[in-house]
Parts: sequence; structure tokens; C-alpha cells
Amino acid sequence: NAGVTQTPKFQVLKTGQSMTLQCAQDMNHNSMYWYRQDPGMGLRLIYYSASEGTTDKGEVPNGYNVSRLNKREFSLRLESAAPSQTSVYFCASSEQSTTEAFFGQGTRLTVV
Amino acid sequence: GENVEQHPSTLSVQEGDSAVIKCTYSDSASNYFPWYKQELGKRPQLIIDIRSNVGEKKDQRIAVTLNKTAKHFSLHITETQPEDSAVYFCAASSRSSYKLIFGSGTRLLVRP
Repeated sequence: NAGVTQTPKFQVLKTGQSMTLQCAQDMNHNSMYWYRQDPGMGLRLIYYSASEGTTDKGEVPNGYNVSRLNKREFSLRLESAAPSQTSVYFCASSEQSTTEAFFGQGTRLTVV
Repeated sequence: GENVEQHPSTLSVQEGDSAVIKCTYSDSASNYFPWYKQELGKRPQLIIDIRSNVGEKKDQRIAVTLNKTAKHFSLHITETQPEDSAVYFCAASSRSSYKLIFGSGTRLLVRP
């Protein structure tokens, strides 16, 4: 049972490049989330998806887009990477927002 | 919008002492309050949660208390051990918001 799987684990981008972070869960969860983690800032919600076919902005959505491709997959896209987007990104999923969330292993992204 | 504040940002205790971390939330509709532990380089994992219909919940050495009137909740760790050293995050959510919002984290150091 893999749980929540994120790819890639590490990535270095040049300013202005684009990339997509992939996330898949095998627990048949309805809710999926993307967070970024910066030192001293905790886990800040970028986008979330309450169910297949719906996505909504979180606390820090600027510079990002998401796609809930199906119930299993929720991708995060950076269209034009900026150094301020250097961070560790976590995908998470839960049955609903008021049940345990399970996290992926994280993606460490550096934008130079 | 929803906001969760967490204090202190760092906490150092002697092994065997107790540790208390406090959080406040802004959305009065919040009814689910989980706590996550993140060890260095790892993903956050749920350690305990509480719902708004109870005031306290215990699991061995950890306990969480909730004061809905004051909109704050706390994590209590008794008889701390070096393996309790980690970053702890509180969070809040409600079924109506579909979001899971985290506090900024507390770095706990247990000195042997």
C-alpha cells in the first residue's frame, strides 16, 4: 500500500522555467491538498480539491495552478518559476477535510 | 479567512519534563483539530486529533485540550523523551470549508 506518492523528490529549476509536480494516492480519498513548507512558516495551503472535478485556492495560490485529473491524481504546476518558490512541497490526501490527512514524502524544489 | 496561530515557535525542555504547545483558530465553524509530528527530513504524521464535541483526549503520554469558547486548543506531552524532539503542527478544519489549515509549527527539543 503506497499511500501518497509524489514525484519528483528533488528538482532544480532556472527562473522562468515551468514544471509540474505529480501526486497520486491509492486510498480512494476525496480530498487532496498541496502545501509548501518554508522555515518558520509552517505548512501553507496552496490549493485543495474537495472532490474529483473541483479545485479551490488556499492561502498562497499565486504563481501556481492545479489539476485534479481524476480521484487519484492531483498535480501542481509552476508556469514561470521564481526564486520565491524555492521550498519543500507536500501533497496530502484525506477521506474528507475532517479526517486524518496522509502526506507524500515531499518535493524539494530549488529555483535559481 | 481561516487562520491558525501557534506558540511557541521553539521549546526546549529537560527529559522527563512536560511540554505544552498552544494554538488559536479564527473560524468558529472549525470542528476538527489534529496535531502532526514531523521528524527531521520526514513527512508530517498525525499523532492525535480532537473534535469539537469533546474537551479533552488522551493517548498515553500525549493529550489535547479544546476550549471552543476561547477558540484555542493545546497539546500536552508528559514525561518527555529525546525521541519526542521534532516539529509539531496544529491544524484546524471544518466540513463546510473543505480546507485543512496549519499553524506555523513548534520545534521541540528534549535535552537528555
